[in-house]
Amino acid sequence: AQSVSQHNHHVILSEAASLELGCNYSYGGTVNLFWYVQYPGQHLQLLLKYFSGDPLVKGIKGFEAEFIKSKFSFNLRKPSVQWSDTAEYFCAALSGNTGKLIFGQGTTLQVKP
Amino acid sequence: DGGITQSPKYLFRKEGQNVTLSCEQNLNHDAMYWYRQDPGQGLRLIYYSQIVNDFQKGDIAEGYSVSREKKESFPLTVTSAQKNPTAFYLCASSKSGYRETQYFGPGTRLLVL
Repeated sequence: AQSVSQHNHHVILSEAASLELGCNYSYGGTVNLFWYVQYPGQHLQLLLKYFSGDPLVKGIKGFEAEFIKSKFSFNLRKPSVQWSDTAEYFCAALSGNTGKLIFGQGTTLQVKP
Repeated sequence: DGGITQSPKYLFRKEGQNVTLSCEQNLNHDAMYWYRQDPGQGLRLIYYSQIVNDFQKGDIAEGYSVSREKKESFPLTVTSAQKNPTAFYLCASSKSGYRETQYFGPGTRLLVL
C-alpha cells in the first residue's frame, strides 16, 4: 500500500536557521506531491505542490521542495526560518486513479525567537 | 468570498449518540473529502465523493456515514458505532479528476462527554 513518511516529528530551530524537513513516499507510479502547513488555530494551507516538470518547486513564504524520483523523496526547505513559521507541516502524495491523498504523520516545527 | 465552511467549530457527543458535522463549499468543486486528524498520525481519509449521489469509503470508514445530495454539501455523521470519535475532522474539496489539489476547511473538533 502507498505510504508517506516524515522523518522528523518535532523540530526546534532558532530564527534565521536553515530548515529541511524530510519526506519519503512509497509508490512507483506517477505521483503528485504536496506540502501543507497548519499554523496554530488556522486552516490547513497548501505550501507547494509538484505535478511534473522542474523537480525544484517554489512555494509561498520562501519555502521550496525538491522532488528526487530515485530517492522517492520530496524534502521541504527554507534557507532562513522566522518565528512565524512555527506550525505543523504535512507531506502528502496523490496517486493512482482514486484521488486519495495520503498524508505523512506531520512534523511540528517550533522556531525560537 | 469563496471557500469551505465547516460547522460547528466544536461538537460534544454523548455516549450512544449520533452527531452530524457539516461541510459546505462554494468553489464549484465536484469532489469532496472527509479526513480525521489525530496527534502524531497525520490525516486519514474517512470518505470521499467525486460526484453528487456517489461516494466511496476511505481508509477508516467504519463508524461513519456520509451523503452527497448536493454538489455544495457533504455532511459526515459520526455514529455510535465509532468507538473512538474524539478527533479533529477536516473537510476538503477539489475540482473533478483524480489529480487535483485539495483545499481544506477550518475543521470541527469533536469531543466525547
